Amino acid sequence: GENVEQHPSTLSVQEGDSAVIKCTYSDSASNYFPWYKQELGKGPQLIIDIRSNVGEKKDQRIAVTLNKTAKHFSLHITETQPEDSAVYFCAASTGGFKTIFGAGTRLFVKA
Amino acid sequence: DTAVSQTPKYLVTQMGNDKSIKCEQNLGHDTMYWYKQDSKKFLKIMFSYNNKELIINETVPNRFSPKSPDKAHLNLHINSLELGDSAVYFCASSTPGLPYEQYFGPGTRLTVT
Repeated sequence: GENVEQHPSTLSVQEGDSAVIKCTYSDSASNYFPWYKQELGKGPQLIIDIRSNVGEKKDQRIAVTLNKTAKHFSLHITETQPEDSAVYFCAASTGGFKTIFGAGTRLFVKA
Repeated sequence: DTAVSQTPKYLVTQMGNDKSIKCEQNLGHDTMYWYKQDSKKFLKIMFSYNNKELIINETVPNRFSPKSPDKAHLNLHINSLELGDSAVYFCASSTPGLPYEQYFGPGTRLTVT
């Protein structure tokens, strides 16, 4: 069935460094790839997304890249800050009503 | 002005009991979802409703019964609760059509003892 793999499961960086989280998906029909940030005790919140007709998208310190051929997509956070510490989820959707989530990456940003 | 709200936030109950979780969204979305997040943070879709109709049922035990009285509400009723039902349950709603941006509620932490 459909599957989204996410790596690493835990990532620790120094404040100011960059963080990269990578995902692969199995369903070649997937055409929408959102990223969510979940802070402690809260629900996931959409932070950025990318559609299959775009290779890269940037919003201030965060950027996503998509390689449809390899079925890879990645989240890049530059100049990390302590408030970036959270669990990040990648996801993939075929445009129907079902979104498959990765297992999550716990990001720690050390001050 | 909470966009997606859930009640209760915490629910502690004993095995065998029946409980309900309520969800409401004021975003005007047509599609709503229930997700289960286990202790390892894995987020898995349970149900999806569009315009009050069940679209997705992800092999969830029939002890779980969602009900959508209108497009703004999606409730989850759970019968004969089991220890393995302990998790955080999230309600979400999404915009119509791509990109199906999903907005999540704050979650309900269910603990079955």
